Amino acid sequence: QKEVEQNSGPLSVPEGAIASLNCTYSDRGSQSFFWYRQYSGKSPELIMFIYSNGDKEDGRFTAQLNKASQYVSLLIRDSQPSDSATYLCAVTGGGADGLTFGKGTHLIIQP
Amino acid sequence: AAGVIQSPRHLIKEKRETATLKCYPIPRHDTVYWYQQGPGQDPQFLISFYEKMQSDKGSIPDRFSAQQFSDYHSELNMSSLELGDSALYFCASSLGGLSTDTQYFGPGTRLTVL
Repeated sequence: QKEVEQNSGPLSVPEGAIASLNCTYSDRGSQSFFWYRQYSGKSPELIMFIYSNGDKEDGRFTAQLNKASQYVSLLIRDSQPSDSATYLCAVTGGGADGLTFGKGTHLIIQP
Repeated sequence: AAGVIQSPRHLIKEKRETATLKCYPIPRHDTVYWYQQGPGQDPQFLISFYEKMQSDKGSIPDRFSAQQFSDYHSELNMSSLELGDSALYFCASSLGGLSTDTQYFGPGTRLTVL
C-alpha cells in the first residue's frame, strides 16, 4: 500500500515569510515527485516537480528531495495571500502510473 | 496554452442511472488519467491509458469502465450510480512513455447523485 503523509495544518504564515511544507512517502520505488496547489472546488495546479535528490528552484518555490529519507519538501519564499490554498504532495512510479496523493496541507498566508 | 478539456462540467443523476464523462487531453499528449475526489478528500487515482491501452489501474469500481479513443480523448462510463459516487472527477494528461511524466489536470466534472 503506497502512502504519502502530510501535515494537514492549517499552517499559518505571515505575508512575506517563508512557508515550509513537508511530505513523506512509503514506496521506495517512487520515481517522480510533485507539488500541486488546489483551491477549494478547483483542480490541482502543478507547482513543482522533482526527480533527483537535492534542491530545485523555480521563482519563489524550492522543492527538496531526499530519497534516502523518503522525504520531499516545498519552500515558498516571500509568501503572498494568493498562496493561501491546499498543497498536495504526490508521488508516482513514473510512466503512465497514477499519482498517489497526500491529504494536503492547508496553508494560510496572513496579510 | 491549450489545457485539458472535460465535459460536462456539472452533472446531476439519480441513483442507479448511468453517466459518461469525457476528457480531451492537451494536444500531443498521449496519456490520460482519471481521478475521483470526494468532499474533503485527496484525489484518488482510478485508471490510466497510454496510446489507447490501459496502463495502470487504481481504485476504480467494477461499475466503472473507461477507454481511450484513436484521437486520444477518453471517456469514463459509470453505471448503477450510488450516492457515494458524488464527487469531483478529474482527468489529467501527460506526454507519455517517460519515467518523468508530468500530469496536467483538467477543470473537473462535478457529479451529483441524488
